[in-house]
Amino acid sequence: AQTIHQWPVAEIKAVGSPLSLGCTIKGKSSPNLYWYWQATGGTLQQLFYSITVGQVESVVQLNLSASRPKDDQFILSTEKLLLSHSGFYLCAWRERDRSSYEQYFGPGTRLTVL
Amino acid sequence: GEQVEQRPPHLSVPEGDSAVIICTYTDSATAYFYWYKQEPGAGLQLLMSVFSNVDRKEEQGLTVLLNKKDKQLSLNLTAAHPGDSAVYFCASTSSGQKLVFGQGTILKVYL
Repeated sequence: AQTIHQWPVAEIKAVGSPLSLGCTIKGKSSPNLYWYWQATGGTLQQLFYSITVGQVESVVQLNLSASRPKDDQFILSTEKLLLSHSGFYLCAWRERDRSSYEQYFGPGTRLTVL
Repeated sequence: GEQVEQRPPHLSVPEGDSAVIICTYTDSATAYFYWYKQEPGAGLQLLMSVFSNVDRKEEQGLTVLLNKKDKQLSLNLTAAHPGDSAVYFCASTSSGQKLVFGQGTILKVYL
């Protein structure tokens, strides 16, 4: 069975500090991977997606970057946090060749920027 | 690009009653539709996926209707119970990569 793990569970960071959030998928080879951001009480906004190692596409600019260093790993980062980066970050995966395009989500990371 | 409007934002029903959530989408080329459930502090749980050639799908007390003429997708929870209390999101995609979400509906089922 596939498992998706996100780390850390929660972070409290200062404005201007760097950030790195991680996502790992186990039990699935070569998945498509996605990062989403959710404001408190809000809807989800897709940030990035990746269909293979080393390739990342940006969907919306929020002064964040993403990388896929390994087949099962997706990293979200920034060198300087803004207050507006606070929220809930969710990683998702889907099978690359499956026609139904179903995306499955991880447990999320709660980020508070002070 | 695709936009999805979801209503109502809040819904409160007594246990045993039905709860209906509706989403209206804009892109006729939208191929896939989804309903997700989010409990407090958790990720999203996929409840049901529907392809655009399906008008109705039922699974485990949930009914999804797709009205392509009016570009509406609905979720009906029959006989809701307190464990159904959560935030529900509809989502859609035509490209397979970009998932567009509705604004969410906070459902409360009370005794």
